[in-house]
This record gives sequence, C-alpha cells and structure tokens, in this order.
Amino acid sequence: DQQVKQNSPSLSVQEGRISILNCDYTNSMFDYFLWYKKYPAEGPTFLISISSIKDKNEDGRFTVFLNKSAKHLSLHIVPSQPGDSAVYFCAASTREDMRFGAGTRLTVKP
Amino acid sequence: ETGVTQTPRHLVMGMTNKKSLKCEQHLGHNAMYWYKQSAKKPLELMFVYSLEERVENNSVPSRFSPECPNSSHLFLHLHTLQPEDSALYLCASSQEEGHLTPYEQYFGPGTRLTVT
Repeated sequence: DQQVKQNSPSLSVQEGRISILNCDYTNSMFDYFLWYKKYPAEGPTFLISISSIKDKNEDGRFTVFLNKSAKHLSLHIVPSQPGDSAVYFCAASTREDMRFGAGTRLTVKP
Repeated sequence: ETGVTQTPRHLVMGMTNKKSLKCEQHLGHNAMYWYKQSAKKPLELMFVYSLEERVENNSVPSRFSPECPNSSHLFLHLHTLQPEDSALYLCASSQEEGHLTPYEQYFGPGTRLTVT
C-alpha cells in the first residue's frame, strides 16, 4: 500500500535550468508534506515543508507547491546547481503516521 | 555533522547472531525513530519513541527489539534475522510538541546491514 508515490526514479537537468520533482499521494488525511535530500552514504536531510493549509512555500532556490485537489506536490529548484545532485524523497504525514516516496535521483549537469 | 550518529556504519551478521545498532543524538530532541530502507523501496517507519516511551510499532517483527534508555540514545537489538532484513537502517530525531508524527527530522548516516 504505497500511499506516496514518486513516479520518476531519475531526472537529469542542465545547470542553471529549473528542476521539477513530482510526488503524488492517495490519503486525503495527510496534512503536512516534506521534502528530504539524500547524498550517498549520508542520511536524508530535511529540505523544505508545507502545511495543507498552504499551496506554496518558498525558501531560496527551493519552492514546494501543493495541489490538494489533485493530491499532488512538487519541488522546484531554480536555478539548479551541480551540488543539488542527490536523491530527493517526498514525505506526507498525518497526526499518527508518516509515509515516504521511493525517491527521485536528480542529476544536474555542468 | 548532522548531530545524529549511528554505529556501526556497516554490519554483516549470520541468521543466528545477536547484534545491536546504536544511535545517539546531540540535538536535545525528545523523540527518536528507527527507519528501514530496502533497495528500491520507500523508507519504512519501524519505531517511534517520544519522551523515551514507545508510541509507534508499525507491526515490526519481534526479531527487531528497540530500546530507548534516555532521550539521547536509541538501540535496535537484532536476533535471528532473515536475509530479507538486509537493508539500510536509519535513525532520526526530532523535537515533538504534542504532535505524534514527526515534522522536521534529523537523520543519522545509517547502518548498512547484511544478513547472510
């Protein structure tokens, strides 16, 4: 029962361009959403989050968009940098539960 | 340095062995978590400890036994594991404020476990 899905296992973009990572969920009870970034041999690092009462949250180069009616969220990175190359996980939570997507590997080419 | 450390980083054990994974957080948080990440699968939440009491189990097999002696330390005791238990085991911590589910968590680097 995979309630959070990241359908693109990998994404490759050119440095300076926009990276868009997508995430879909099925449980309408999720009220808080997070993105994590993971480098090899390290644990995930919290990146940005959004509450279900908002539809957009911005932090520097990173913006998360939430479309509750479509049960879809996305992470925009602009401009993309080679150091952004990592695996990105989305996560969704209710008061009692938290689920992660399988991750999308982003490669930013110089 | 994320403030959450895990030892060992790599562990190979036989199915009849008993071993323990250790996690320590230096962030003053009051909640700690164990996650399992199998190849090509999402992170799975195994255990949650809030204020040193277990609040979430998620139907983990009894061959995994957690222990939280204080708010800074978390152990995962392993006994008679199966080869399918081979995975990356991640520890995380967070500061909870009356909400059972984790918000921003800080993860350790993980222990890569191989069961032979």
